[in-house]
Amino acid sequence: DQQVKQNSPSLSVQEGRISILNCDYTNSMFDYFLWYKKYPAEGPTFLISISSIKDKNEDGRFTVFLNKSAKHLSLHIVPSQPGDSAVYFCAALEITGANSKLTFGKGITLSVRP
Amino acid sequence: DVKVTQSSRYLVKRTGEKVFLECVQDMDHENMFWYRQDPGLGLRLIYFSYDVKMKEKGDIPEGYSVSREKKERFSLILESASTNQTSMYLCASSLIRDTDTEAFFGQGTRLTVV
Repeated sequence: DQQVKQNSPSLSVQEGRISILNCDYTNSMFDYFLWYKKYPAEGPTFLISISSIKDKNEDGRFTVFLNKSAKHLSLHIVPSQPGDSAVYFCAALEITGANSKLTFGKGITLSVRP
Repeated sequence: DVKVTQSSRYLVKRTGEKVFLECVQDMDHENMFWYRQDPGLGLRLIYFSYDVKMKEKGDIPEGYSVSREKKERFSLILESASTNQTSMYLCASSLIRDTDTEAFFGQGTRLTVV
């Protein structure tokens, strides 16, 4: 059973507009949520994270919103740029003592049209 | 700069061969992970390790084993490679603290089993 779900496989937006990437989770014990960006033939690179005790974190054009009651988070990219075209993975981190486990969603392919 | 290095970018192996995928990190991280990425399935956790000689099964451990003899090195072993193990394999490491929630990835190994 998937604990981290990205239900849309793809999203296409116009350059300059807002991209909203959604992610749902089922495990209320997750401590942090992270977003990663991946280009073909490269490893994922970290974008932004949010602690489970916060509801918003902002870093430049990227903002992540967390709604714990709905078990939902979203990544906003404003304004979207063609270089943002990539696969975006939502991930959730559960920390138990000194151990941690990182669980990923299936990813969403973002295409930003010039 | 944090560095996670996977020994090969591309590998081609025959069915039934024993395959070793090596991963080394230079940041003294306790946690290390092996994922595979397949189209439409996202990143799936195979095994992870939170200390030397410690390992935990992830979501899809069947057909794989791991070795962590030294803190900086985490090896993924395919005991008898099969064609359904053709995939992109990604290694990651992390140091989990209250404010450090990032996992760093290697560049990936594209394994083809023929």
